[in-house]
Amino acid sequence: QSVLTQPPSASGTPGQRVTISCSGSSSNIGSNTVNWYQQLPGTAPKLLIYSNDQRPSGVPDRFSGSKSGTSASLAISGLQSEDEADYYCAAWDDSLNAVVFGGGTKLTVL
Amino acid sequence: QVHLVESGGGVVQPGRSLGLSCAASGFTLSTFGMHWVRQAPGKGLEWVALIWSDGSKKYYADSVKGRFIISKDNSKNTLYLQMNTLRVEDTAVYYCARDIGYGDHSRFDPWGQGTLVTVSS
Repeated sequence: QSVLTQPPSASGTPGQRVTISCSGSSSNIGSNTVNWYQQLPGTAPKLLIYSNDQRPSGVPDRFSGSKSGTSASLAISGLQSEDEADYYCAAWDDSLNAVVFGGGTKLTVL
Repeated sequence: QVHLVESGGGVVQPGRSLGLSCAASGFTLSTFGMHWVRQAPGKGLEWVALIWSDGSKKYYADSVKGRFIISKDNSKNTLYLQMNTLRVEDTAVYYCARDIGYGDHSRFDPWGQGTLVTVSS
């Protein structure tokens, strides 16, 4: 059972917009920034969104993040086949003194 | 170019010990915090441990506290994870990752390619 809650799966057709939610609590998302990671099949995770809504250099602007209270969301617009991957949210937890991850969302492009 | 390469994985019996290394290049380990994150086969990411840039503080997941030790040798630019009293449930790919959060300790970039640890009799 992960501290941060994500839906296990999401799907969309090419060109569509999909969102992935990440729910936490006051000790993690509520008081710290959220980061998102993309893990393509058979590869190491890659930083996708940092500080709730910032994109690292090289990440397409089709990817966006937001945070409100104790929840965060990742949105992917103009869905492409290469976006098929697992997506994880992460945050520092002040009560646990630990990094907590969501359980991951497997995105399927239909 | 910033790069992390893990090594030391393998098959080990339950109750035994194993040490992992993570060689860093393209940056100085002494200026960044570093993490270990693991992923059991077919499962999600699980954070394991964090060491501050100056090595003054270390944090561990409850699942490994008292059994695993994170350390680094800045002169060798290498991060380590000593894993003792290994359990079957420690079987996973272990990734090292650089902390670039400047206070936000969940921002990792880059990640290494990972090394597989299998605990089995």
